[in-house]
Amino acid sequence: AQKITQTQPGMFVQEKEAVTLDCTYDTSDPSYGLFWYKQPSSGEMIFLIYQGSYDQQNATEGRYSLNFQKARKSANLVISASQLGDSAMYFCAMREGFTSGTYKYIFGTGTRLKVLA
Amino acid sequence: DAEITQSPRHKITETGRQVTLACHQTWNHNNMFWYRQDLGHGLRLIHYSYGVQDTNKGEVSDGYSVSRSNTEDLPLTLESAASSQTSVYFCASSTSGGAGEQFFGPGTRLTVL
Repeated sequence: AQKITQTQPGMFVQEKEAVTLDCTYDTSDPSYGLFWYKQPSSGEMIFLIYQGSYDQQNATEGRYSLNFQKARKSANLVISASQLGDSAMYFCAMREGFTSGTYKYIFGTGTRLKVLA
Repeated sequence: DAEITQSPRHKITETGRQVTLACHQTWNHNNMFWYRQDLGHGLRLIHYSYGVQDTNKGEVSDGYSVSRSNTEDLPLTLESAASSQTSVYFCASSTSGGAGEQFFGPGTRLTVL
């Protein structure tokens, strides 16, 4: 079974608008972390934002925020005021086993975002 | 500035040949990882290491091996390259504390003919 599910293979958004990229996860571990990475067409993987399972508030980093709904097991990425440079592939990832010191990460299949001028 | 580098960036090889992809990081991270990226699959974990002399298999480890003789390097070896191993390979490293976000190398595009 998929542990990280990104149901939107591709999305379009108009420049300056906000967009939400969906991510749902599956784990029985009470201690885990959720990450979003951006992969532009140049290919590098860029860390965007992190949310810990015990964090009380949603994580924010500049124009990026993570809408964390623990009971629904969702960790959606919200990009506000989209820019042309936001056009990229976005990956959601989960790290389980914080309490056991495990550092295995599971990635979703990605969402390709295209920002339109 | 600390960084993680991979070499070569592009490689074409023939079926059956042994290939080694290099990964070097100057973050002084204990944890290092190798992934392959294929369309429709995202990133899949091949091998990982939590420190010198430690190596572990990931979900797609068949046909690959790694060794960790120092903190900085984790070379990935394809023992006998197969066309199914044509892919983009990413090396990553992470800290052993806190969130443990991963820092990625630029990737190696490998083509097996």
